Amino acid sequence: DGGITQSPKYLFRKEGQNVTLSCEQNLNHDAMYWYRQDPGQGLRLIYYSQIVNDFQKGDIAEGYSVSREKKESFPLTVTSAQKNPTAFYLCASSVGGETQYFGPGTRLLVL
Amino acid sequence: AQSVTQLGSHVSVSEGALVLLRCNYSSSVPPYLFWYVQYPNQGLQLLLKYTSAATLVKGINGFEAEFKKSETSFHLTKPSAHMSDAAEYFCAVKWRDSSYKLIFGSGTRLLVRP
Repeated sequence: DGGITQSPKYLFRKEGQNVTLSCEQNLNHDAMYWYRQDPGQGLRLIYYSQIVNDFQKGDIAEGYSVSREKKESFPLTVTSAQKNPTAFYLCASSVGGETQYFGPGTRLLVL
Repeated sequence: AQSVTQLGSHVSVSEGALVLLRCNYSSSVPPYLFWYVQYPNQGLQLLLKYTSAATLVKGINGFEAEFKKSETSFHLTKPSAHMSDAAEYFCAVKWRDSSYKLIFGSGTRLLVRP
């Protein structure tokens, strides 16, 4: 079955630690996205990538970093510079700028 | 600034009653419009989308939405609510001049009373 997988489902971060969230898709989509979701708010775009080896900042990129070395993979690193990382993180992909399809999400909690 | 507004952070209906979730966008140029549904601790699932074909769009699970240019609205409806419809619903807009960016509303949580 084609789809988007995110791992882990839950992730705990200690103070000053960098953590990496995984996003993999087998839909052969060229574009991939990372969103952050906070309670009572819509989704906010962190980074997106239109093609391999290229990515652009979204609205809230500070404290995050990404890479796109393979078409199927778009990992997100939450760095120690992100002072309020507790949120639900959603990865999405699309064919070009068409409809975005979402993964199941990773919930990041701070210890 | 371009924006999407969902009126009502919570909507409560009785099982079998009409569901109406409101979405308005700010733009003079008709955008692409989407409704997504999110169940607790899950990702977003596409319900339906408007891409400038028919103004009445039918989606999954019996939902439909009507694009009204004069009102800059794209409200989501379902004639008869089921308990399984209880979830959070997000309206999203993609403006034709920004090929990749989706703007989301803040979401409406639908509660279905037995």
